[in-house]
Amino acid sequence: AQSVTQLDSQVPVFEEAPVELRCNYSSSVSVYLFWYVQYPNQGLQLLLKYLSGSTLVKGINGFEAEFNKSQTSFHLRKPSVHISDTAEYFCAVSPVGAGSYQLTFGKGTKLSVIP
Amino acid sequence: EPEVTQTPSHQVTQMGQEVILRCVPISNHLYFYWYRQILGQKVEFLVSFYNNEISEKSEIFDDQFSVERPDGSNFTLKIRSTKLEDSAMYFCASSGRSNYGYTFGSGTRLTVV
Repeated sequence: AQSVTQLDSQVPVFEEAPVELRCNYSSSVSVYLFWYVQYPNQGLQLLLKYLSGSTLVKGINGFEAEFNKSQTSFHLRKPSVHISDTAEYFCAVSPVGAGSYQLTFGKGTKLSVIP
Repeated sequence: EPEVTQTPSHQVTQMGQEVILRCVPISNHLYFYWYRQILGQKVEFLVSFYNNEISEKSEIFDDQFSVERPDGSNFTLKIRSTKLEDSAMYFCASSGRSNYGYTFGSGTRLTVV
């Protein structure tokens, strides 16, 4: 079984400042890792994913994340946030090669960008 | 860009009633899913569907729940006898051959009163 922890439920940050949203996971098997974003009244949109290869993954809207296997982390970063980045961000994992494609989500982090 | 469409966006139903939540996945996708999110809690997996049958289901997906792909385009989730604790946002998703990085719909907010 897998579990995902997003320690910060809310993160306020000023516009044009950098941000890091933290994600740690626990799993007895290797996992694929994902970040999703949910804008108000919308569905979950895939920001980026790590399947294999380079541990630094670039996604849409200027976001990137780094997979750290030893620390079982997959933190999301953006060097300069915009008002439009205000949303809820979800980290998720899926087991590798287990014949299962279900995603296990964290509780989400609400990012509020302050003008 | 292709979308997953869910209807209705909000449904209110009385406890004990049956509800059907509808989804139109992306047309060339092969895998279909339902997830739910109770207010303030995590998004939880309910069921996955492939090749016209359930491929995985969670403990939440008990006999009260069923899924169907009746006509090759729609994908439905039925709850036979709703309970108060079924109140949640229900998300449909689909994925293609690679099966990673689903496309989610906007969700149906189900309120059981």
